[in-house]
Amino acid sequence: AQKITQTQPGMFVQEKEAVTLDCTYDTSDPSYGLFWYKQPSSGEMIFLIYQGSYDQQNATEGRYSLNFQKARKSANLVISASQLGDSAMYFCAMRPNTGGFKTIFGAGTRLFVKA
Amino acid sequence: NAGVTQTPKFRVLKTGQSMTLLCAQDMNHEYMYWYRQDPGMGLRLIHYSVGEGTTAKGEVPDGYNVSRLKKQNFLLGLESAAPSQTSVYFCASTDANGAFNYGYTFGSGTRLTVV
Repeated sequence: AQKITQTQPGMFVQEKEAVTLDCTYDTSDPSYGLFWYKQPSSGEMIFLIYQGSYDQQNATEGRYSLNFQKARKSANLVISASQLGDSAMYFCAMRPNTGGFKTIFGAGTRLFVKA
Repeated sequence: NAGVTQTPKFRVLKTGQSMTLLCAQDMNHEYMYWYRQDPGMGLRLIHYSVGEGTTAKGEVPDGYNVSRLKKQNFLLGLESAAPSQTSVYFCASTDANGAFNYGYTFGSGTRLTVV
C-alpha cells in the first residue's frame, strides 16, 4: 500500500533560519514523483517542488530544496532563510507515474515562523 | 489565466439534500481530480478522470458521484448529504502528457457544511 508519513504536526522556526520538514513514503512503484505543496491560511494549495524517483540530484526551487534519500524513502523539504510568509501548512505528496497520476498526500505539517 | 475554478466557494446543506460542485479548468488538462480535506487527514481522493467521458473511484468514493461530459468540466455530486461529508473539497487538474514533473493546479476549494 502507498503511504505518506509526516511525523511533525507543528514546527516553529525563527525568521531567517533554515527549517527541515520531514516526509517518508512507502510505495512499490518503480517510478514515481514526490511533491511538496504549501497551503497558507487563505486555503489555496500551491505546488512548491518536485523530485523524480530516478533523479540523481536533489531538486531545488529558490529557497526550497528537497532532500531525497531513496534508500530511506524520505523526501524532506528544506526551507532556507525562513520568512514570515512561509507560515503555512505544508503537505508532502507522492504520485506514481502510472494509473491516472493519482497523488496521495500526507497529513501535513504546520509551520510557524517567528519574528 | 483563470486556471481551475470551483463553484460554489461555500455552501450549507441540510442532511438529505443534494448538490453539485462544479470544477472548470481552462488549461486543456486531461486529468482532473476531486479531493476532500479534513483536519489531520491531509487530502483524500474521492474520484478522478483521465479524460473526457471517463471517471474512476478514488480512496473515499462512497456517497459521491462524478461526471466529465466535457474535457474542461468535472462535476462532483452529493445525492443525499450527510454530516460526515462536511469538509473542504478541492478540485485539481494536471497535464501529464510527456512531463512527469507537473504538480497539480488546484481550485480555491469549496467549504461544505452539512447540518
